[in-house]
Amino acid sequence: AQSVTQPDIHITVSEGASLELRCNYSYGATPYLFWYVQSPGQGLQLLLKYFSGDTLVQGIKGFEAEFKRSQSSFNLRKPSVHWSDAAEYFCAVPQRGGYQKVTFGTGTKLQVIP
Amino acid sequence: DGGITQSPKYLFRKEGQNVTLSCEQNLNHDAMYWYRQDPGQGLRLIYYSQIVNDFQKGDIAEGYSVSREKKESFPLTVTSAQKNPTAFYLCASSNEDIQYFGAGTRLSVL
Repeated sequence: AQSVTQPDIHITVSEGASLELRCNYSYGATPYLFWYVQSPGQGLQLLLKYFSGDTLVQGIKGFEAEFKRSQSSFNLRKPSVHWSDAAEYFCAVPQRGGYQKVTFGTGTKLQVIP
Repeated sequence: DGGITQSPKYLFRKEGQNVTLSCEQNLNHDAMYWYRQDPGQGLRLIYYSQIVNDFQKGDIAEGYSVSREKKESFPLTVTSAQKNPTAFYLCASSNEDIQYFGAGTRLSVL
């Protein structure tokens, strides 16, 4: 069965510093991969998606993620964090074909300090 | 603007009471979903529907019920059989590979 692991529950970074959030997946074939962001008390917003092709994916709000098959990873990065990036981030793997069931990671909460 | 509307934003349930959470979408999506979110547990699937008049149980369906009479609407009822209903509930809809989410309903027990 497919699974997604986000090993970091909580991360704190200084404003202007770089950010990397980790995501590891378990899937029998080449997966589709998503990153979502959730602000407090809100729904999830899609940041970026990987389907195939170029392994470096650009998303909204200056985020990017790199698919590494050899490491079963899809880490999210941002070169310079802004205070408004404080939120919870979820990595997700959809089941391909037919009904669109999605497996979500448990999330990483990002705190940004001045 | 197209999107998913959940109401109410906050809801309180008394002991033994059934409550219904509303979810409406104008994205013309066939599939709709209900998730429950608890701190540190990510999102857990309650029910999903791929088409009108059809729905399937997800991973934690006990104590919940749904209907899908219209393409745009997928209400969730939290029944008195759900003994721990306090959580944040998210509705989503999808066009093939991407799910889009509403802003959520926070349910608490009085």
